Amino acid sequence: DGGITQSPKYLFRKEGQNVTLSCEQNLNHDAMYWYRQDPGQGLRLIYYSQIVNDFQKGDIAEGYSVSREKKESFPLTVTSAQKNPTAFYLCASSPRHPPLPDTQYFGPGTRLTVL
Amino acid sequence: AQTVTQSQPEMSVQEAETVTLSCTYDTSENNYYLFWYKQPPSRQMILVIRQEAYKQQNATENRFSVNFQKAAKSFSLKISDSQLGDTAMYFCAFMKHGGLGGFKTIFGAGTRLFVKA
Repeated sequence: DGGITQSPKYLFRKEGQNVTLSCEQNLNHDAMYWYRQDPGQGLRLIYYSQIVNDFQKGDIAEGYSVSREKKESFPLTVTSAQKNPTAFYLCASSPRHPPLPDTQYFGPGTRLTVL
Repeated sequence: AQTVTQSQPEMSVQEAETVTLSCTYDTSENNYYLFWYKQPPSRQMILVIRQEAYKQQNATENRFSVNFQKAAKSFSLKISDSQLGDTAMYFCAFMKHGGLGGFKTIFGAGTRLFVKA
């Protein structure tokens, strides 16, 4: 089955620790995205990548880092510099070509809690 | 800067009736995409419907249709014959490539819809 997987589903972190959230897709999509969702709010873009070995900052990139070494994978690292990391994190991917270019398909999300 | 506004934090509808969720946006671009996503209690984001700005015809997907008014920058979602499974948070989203500021994707704050039996 084609889709997007995120792991782990729940993640707990102590203050001062870096953690990495996994995102893998087998949809052969070129573009991938990371969003943060806080209670009662919409999604905010952290980073995006439109092609392998290239990525760009979104609206709230401070305290986060990413890599895109493979088309299928776009891991997100939440560093200790992120002041308020507790949130729900969603990964998405999108094709660049018809029939539905730029339509984002989402993974199931990772809930990160800082203890 | 682009913005997306959903003015209805919560709505409710009786099963089998019709409900309309509103979304307005602000942009100076001419070419962009608009989307409605559904997020049920499982928190999985699911695409409901999409609209290309260059298309005048309103998009339709089964019981879901949009009223796209480009000049008014309005993109409302109509759900016909509401079902209990439609209970979810609904997000309106905007995406563009190129132009001023390059790539941009923005989500509204969401409208929580309750379908009552």
